[in-house]
Amino acid sequence: AQSVTQLDSQVPVFEEAPVELRCNYSSSVSVYLFWYVQYPNQGLQLLLKYLSGSTLVKGINGFEAEFNKSQTSFHLRKPSVHISDTAEYFCAVSESPSGNTGKLIFGQGTTLQVKP
Amino acid sequence: GAGVSQSPSNKVTEKGKDVELRCDPISGHTALYWYRQSLGQGLEFLIYFQGNSAPDKSGLPSDRFSAERTGGSVSTLTIQRTQQEDSAVYLCASSLDQSSYEQYFGPGTRLTVT
Repeated sequence: AQSVTQLDSQVPVFEEAPVELRCNYSSSVSVYLFWYVQYPNQGLQLLLKYLSGSTLVKGINGFEAEFNKSQTSFHLRKPSVHISDTAEYFCAVSESPSGNTGKLIFGQGTTLQVKP
Repeated sequence: GAGVSQSPSNKVTEKGKDVELRCDPISGHTALYWYRQSLGQGLEFLIYFQGNSAPDKSGLPSDRFSAERTGGSVSTLTIQRTQQEDSAVYLCASSLDQSSYEQYFGPGTRLTVT
């Protein structure tokens, strides 16, 4: 079975500062990895995904994440945050192809609070 | 184009009543997923449809929960004899197919059981 751990439930940061949201996963099979963002009172939006290839993945809104297989991590980073980045961020995994249904297993979420 | 839509956006019901939640996926998307988001449990997978069939129902929490999909499009999630622990936001997502790995989420239905 797969599981996802987001190590920080809340991350406060000042505007224009860098931020890292941590995600670790556990799985006995190969996985695909995702980060989703949920703005207040809205649905989930895909930020970026890792399926294969380069371990550094760039997404929307200036976010990037690095897949580290040996540490089973997929941390999300942004070099300079804006007030508008205030939202909840979810890390998720999905089994890679064989028998996969595409269903996502989510972490508990990290609330990013950007302060002026 | 139109995204995933869900109705109603909010539903308040009394304990013991049945409720139906509706999801309209993006046109042409063959894969459809239901998830539940609650304070205690976070985001949980409920059921997956490919076309009209549901090859993965492993996340349905009890036999009070059922779902169907007709015409390869609209899906309905039904909860019978609702309990207070069913209170949550129910999210629907669709993707082109199960291997496209990009799910588009609807805004959700907030269910409150009183």
